[in-house]
Amino acid sequence: GAVVSQHPSWVICKSGTSVKIECRSLDFQATTMFWYRQFPKQSLMLMATSNEGSKATYEQGVEKDKFLINHASLTLSTLTVTSAHPEDSSFYICSARARTAVWSPLHFGNGTRLTVT
Amino acid sequence: DAKTTQPTSMDCAEGRAANLPCNHSTISGNEYVYWYRQIHSQGPQYIIHGLKNNETNEMASLIITEDRKSSTLILPHATLRDTAVYYCIVRGNTGNQFYFGTGTSLTVIP
Repeated sequence: GAVVSQHPSWVICKSGTSVKIECRSLDFQATTMFWYRQFPKQSLMLMATSNEGSKATYEQGVEKDKFLINHASLTLSTLTVTSAHPEDSSFYICSARARTAVWSPLHFGNGTRLTVT
Repeated sequence: DAKTTQPTSMDCAEGRAANLPCNHSTISGNEYVYWYRQIHSQGPQYIIHGLKNNETNEMASLIITEDRKSSTLILPHATLRDTAVYYCIVRGNTGNQFYFGTGTSLTVIP
């Protein structure tokens, strides 16, 4: 159980365009999802916390107008990278925790590799 | 949330036990210890978590010291597929977030 699915697994886009990444919890409901970014040979960096039915909470230094997060249902959160630039090229990973289990671990998607040309 | 310290890298012979240490000297009483691993170009995989008692599952064992200031993840019989970066994370109930440190890059050698 506790499967998190992320789509697409990789995407290439031109500079200036926007890209949407989906994160779904397949077999559980998630009131909260988390978005991470990972550059080569670095650790995961938390970008934002996505809350169902309310605004996302962004970590310090993350531009909320550039990384739009929508958590419209208990099983889906989306991250849109707006006006993407080459420096936005990275590995984006989402995660979720089951709704009722306070101490339960996070479960992660398999990531989306974004390349901006 | 408490900060964790892990060795940057470790090697382990195939078939032997891999013991990965983690220091979390500022951990507080309600904070759990979680272990994840990340194989190249994949999302992190949950391994195990615990509060103060030792824990074991089909993947690994987690040994937490009595003072809870450090823990050890044990992979009893390491295989080549266990080569990955292993992250130790401490999280309490004051926030949902998991913050990743630099982790330990484990290489299992044939």
